[in-house]
Amino acid sequence: DSGVTQTPKHLITATGQRVTLRCSPRSGDLSVYWYQQSLDQGLQFLIQYYNGEERAKGNILERFSAQQFPDLHSELNLSSLELGDSALYFCASSAILAVTYNEQFFGPGTRLTVL
Amino acid sequence: DQQVKQNSPSLSVQEGRISILNCDYTNSMFDYFLWYKKYPAEGPTFLISISSIKDKNEDGRFTVFLNKSAKHLSLHIVPSQPGDSAVYFCAASAVLFGNEKLTFGTGTRLTIIP
Repeated sequence: DSGVTQTPKHLITATGQRVTLRCSPRSGDLSVYWYQQSLDQGLQFLIQYYNGEERAKGNILERFSAQQFPDLHSELNLSSLELGDSALYFCASSAILAVTYNEQFFGPGTRLTVL
Repeated sequence: DQQVKQNSPSLSVQEGRISILNCDYTNSMFDYFLWYKKYPAEGPTFLISISSIKDKNEDGRFTVFLNKSAKHLSLHIVPSQPGDSAVYFCAASAVLFGNEKLTFGTGTRLTIIP
């Protein structure tokens, strides 16, 4: 158990809908990352938050957005869903920023299926 | 542009022997490298890491070697055990350049044959 929790575990929805994925980082971790793993592909970085502020953006679609709340949990919002958005979405957390090396700890993921 | 490459999609190794997983990278700014292990329907689990100031890091049965001039790293597992069967991902970041995001390879599926 990495200490990172994600809900829900599975989500099935229809095209055009909007969903919210939730992540609680490990206790004390200030940085949260979101990754997407599509079928037969590696994990692709989407976005990073640090202590409530957006820190870095990757290949995140405009239909997707995220935020980190004062209690440090984070939500990833996916809207106008398309079939191609079906994937595993992972959240990871790490302790502090830069100048030191920190591994990221991953949650169990949310499997999103868009029908 | 695949900045982190794992050219072997799969590898089979006899139990008790050494497993060697390889990873190549192209971005010279990467200064921190990690290996993750992933079982089906679970999140990646951190295994071992190495910073660019070292060329070797060891943790029990796992050793990671880094060859900066060749932009190559490898993960050695000795001895291999059936529980090591999983997909292994190599990842890299440019921490000292202020970029903590991980860039992952596509993974190598390791199967340990009893």
